Amino acid sequence: GDSVTQMEGPVTLSEEAFLTINCTYTATGYPSLFWYVQYPGEGLQLLLKATKADDKGSNKGFEATYRKETTSFHLEKGSVQVSDSAVYFCALNSGGGADGLTFGKGTHLIIQP
Amino acid sequence: GAGVSQSPRYKVAKRGQDVALRCDPISGHVSLFWYQQALGQGPEFLTYFQNEAQLDKSGLPSDRFFAERPEGSVSTLKIQRTQQEDSAVYLCASSFNRVLGTEAFFGQGTRLTVV
Repeated sequence: GDSVTQMEGPVTLSEEAFLTINCTYTATGYPSLFWYVQYPGEGLQLLLKATKADDKGSNKGFEATYRKETTSFHLEKGSVQVSDSAVYFCALNSGGGADGLTFGKGTHLIIQP
Repeated sequence: GAGVSQSPRYKVAKRGQDVALRCDPISGHVSLFWYQQALGQGPEFLTYFQNEAQLDKSGLPSDRFFAERPEGSVSTLKIQRTQQEDSAVYLCASSFNRVLGTEAFFGQGTRLTVV
């Protein structure tokens, strides 16, 4: 079945540091890939997505590239801010009868001023 | 409303009690999903509705779990004879359609604690 593996946290960085959160997946067919973010006290929000190989999703300075050859969708940001502190979830939807999203366990990111 | 609304936000149930969790999706959204999120884990798919039809219930963990969406809008997730292992956050999400890659909008969830 489908699965998503992402690096475990918490990840603690200083403000303006470079961020990478690794995500790899196993899926049937050609999945769509997502990063969702959960800020403290709020619901899950879509951060970015990519629907086919080599697509790059981007939003709020975050980027992730759909790499089919390595089955990866790593999240990156060049300069993090305190306000980026949140839990980040990598997820996929492979269709083909699987109607829901398959999520990773989440990575808690803590940015220190 | 502007987003997906879930109620109650918090629910404490005694073991063996029945509970009902409500989800108000975004108006006009055809697809509705329920997920279960255990502490420190990612959400896990429970069930999916397209309008009033429950097209996928493969994620429901036991026959104590039942979901409905009778008029294709509001949905209720019911858990009968709650057990401690049912303690989790229950998330509802809706999306405009079923097309692969469509964004799902999530509610804030209902945190269920079974004591």
